[in-house]
Amino acid sequence: EAQVTQNPRYLITVTGKKLTVTCSQNMNHEYMSWYRQDPGLGLRQIYYSMNVEVTDKGDVPEGYKVSRKEKRNFPLILESPSPNQTSLYFCASSTGGDEKLFFGSGTQLSVL
Amino acid sequence: QKEVEQNSGPLSVPEGAIASLNCTYSDRGSQSFFWYRQYSGKSPELIMFIYSNGDKEDGRFTAQLNKASQYVSLLIRDSQPSDSATYLCAVQGGKLIFGQGTELSVKP
Repeated sequence: EAQVTQNPRYLITVTGKKLTVTCSQNMNHEYMSWYRQDPGLGLRQIYYSMNVEVTDKGDVPEGYKVSRKEKRNFPLILESPSPNQTSLYFCASSTGGDEKLFFGSGTQLSVL
Repeated sequence: QKEVEQNSGPLSVPEGAIASLNCTYSDRGSQSFFWYRQYSGKSPELIMFIYSNGDKEDGRFTAQLNKASQYVSLLIRDSQPSDSATYLCAVQGGKLIFGQGTELSVKP
């Protein structure tokens, strides 16, 4: 089954404790991206990757890191999480560019 | 002015009626337009896309694009309770920008 798999689904952590949210797609997509979704603000792009070893900042990259060492994986790293990073996070992929995105099931992150 | 604007709703329609969801955008150079459906607690799912002025129909869904007026709409005919969800408009110019979404409630 074609899918984008994110883990974990829910995560509660404390300020400053490094965490990684994993994302993997099995559709051989070149493009992958991370979004956060907040009430009243909609979906905002954090980082994106056009291909392996190619990443770039989206609209809200501060406090996040990403890497794209393999085509299928695109982890999101929060080196020192803060409460303002409490949000619902989605990983997405597509065949090319940010058109026709396939979204993962989401990660609800709470930073205390 | 927001780059992509939608009425947040909720929009409530009776079962069997036509639901009309609207979206306006500010970038006149935008080329591609998408509608995503997001059920509560779930991820967005692409349901329609349109590139040219006019109407595009897919089953009960019709996307309408008017680039001169900078709006795109989604019509859902014969609305069903299962259509109750938040509908996200996304517009691509230099980058893809999402609207905040319109919550649709279809009452039996």
